[in-house]
Amino acid sequence: GEDVEQSLFLSVREGDSSVINCTYTDSSSTYLYWYKQEPGAGLQLLTYIFSNMDMKQDQRLTVLLNKKDKHLSLRIADTQTGDSAIYFCAESMEGASGSARQLTFGSGTQLTVLP
Amino acid sequence: DAGVTQSPTHLIKTRGQHVTLRCSPISGHKSVSWYQQVLGQGPQFIFQYYEKEERGRGNFPDRFSARQFPNYSSELNVNALLLGDSALYLCASSLFNTKDEQYFGPGTRLTVT
Repeated sequence: GEDVEQSLFLSVREGDSSVINCTYTDSSSTYLYWYKQEPGAGLQLLTYIFSNMDMKQDQRLTVLLNKKDKHLSLRIADTQTGDSAIYFCAESMEGASGSARQLTFGSGTQLTVLP
Repeated sequence: DAGVTQSPTHLIKTRGQHVTLRCSPISGHKSVSWYQQVLGQGPQFIFQYYEKEERGRGNFPDRFSARQFPNYSSELNVNALLLGDSALYLCASSLFNTKDEQYFGPGTRLTVT
């Protein structure tokens, strides 16, 4: 299967940390990505992690990968109102031709940051 | 530097009509991918092109076709439009390397009535 699953909603207070979770099923995934989508806009690439890594930190963002459980999380430190958006995790898989790099996305997590 | 650009921004078509959507990749990127995002869902992969050749195709009917031009821009064509084709169509460009970080454009919102 090629399902990527995420919880639909998350609400946090401004200044708190947010943790968005994702599970994936394809053990052959090489890279896993986090994208942010604001209303009416395209997707913004936030960060990614290679499948042989456990953790990656990039300023306020921390990505944790548990390959055994196929679980990925995105932690946003000191969450701000501007972080309110839909967050998508995606896994990169080679297509049937062996050459395409198609992304399979979850349904997205709506993050609401309360003042 | 200009990011990925798409045109038009919005489009309204009638069932049975044909539509062409356009995408220009980031300068230096030779790969373009197309995704369909239905309201409330994540994007679904339609096609990937690299160096003007189709490298991957998602689970979409033959009504969907695409091509990539020598300048690496791309067109997505959809024939015989159905109501269910109403969606945000996203174009992404990349270097088509191992990491294949895909950078998305703002999308074209297609409404079929």
